[in-house]
Amino acid sequence: GQNIDQPTEMTATEGAIVQINCTYQTSGFNGLFWYQQHAGEAPTFLSYNVLDGLEEKGRFSSFLSRSKGYSYLLLKELQMKDSASYLCAVRSGGHAGNMLTFGGGTRLMVKP
Amino acid sequence: DVKVTQSSRYLVKRTGEKVFLECVQDMDHENMFWYRQDPGLGLRLIYFSYDVKMKEKGDIPEGYSVSREKKERFSLILESASTNQTSMYLCASSFPRQGRQRGNEQFFGPGTRLTVL
Repeated sequence: GQNIDQPTEMTATEGAIVQINCTYQTSGFNGLFWYQQHAGEAPTFLSYNVLDGLEEKGRFSSFLSRSKGYSYLLLKELQMKDSASYLCAVRSGGHAGNMLTFGGGTRLMVKP
Repeated sequence: DVKVTQSSRYLVKRTGEKVFLECVQDMDHENMFWYRQDPGLGLRLIYFSYDVKMKEKGDIPEGYSVSREKKERFSLILESASTNQTSMYLCASSFPRQGRQRGNEQFFGPGTRLTVL
């Protein structure tokens, strides 16, 4: 079975740093994705990790530890526009290697 | 830019009606997906298609069917709509993973908010 856990809600202050964690237990692993979804809009791709370590992309970074079944998304210099839901998704193998299993999403609220 | 479009943003149907949700992508992607998104449950996969006329069930296929007659178009069908199918429906597309260096991320359409009365 597939199980992906992330916190339901988080609050942070503009200009600060926030870390959103994701833990997973899946049958097969072929990469982990992070998506951002603003209210009423479609999810948009943020990052992809398949090897252990940190991937940095501007203000956003994503980390993966396959042995621990753990990832985090790090957002630096928070801006009000970063208020959104952040979705962690794991890709498994075979034809299913093209399918993603999503966590429930973390709703981030950035306050002034 | 990848563009995934869905036929309606909002749809209201009555219980028992047959409902068609259409999705079109313009990037020649082999893979197409239908999800539903509900508060507290996240995105759940209904069906996946990896080629024309090919499909696989996702996590929650009951009450749904799909059709992929052309590569760019993937339809979700509710044969007899029920109130528990009131939800946001999201279509997505991607390249296949095999033979590609990229993560083959999925690109999502804007969603169709379906209400079944």
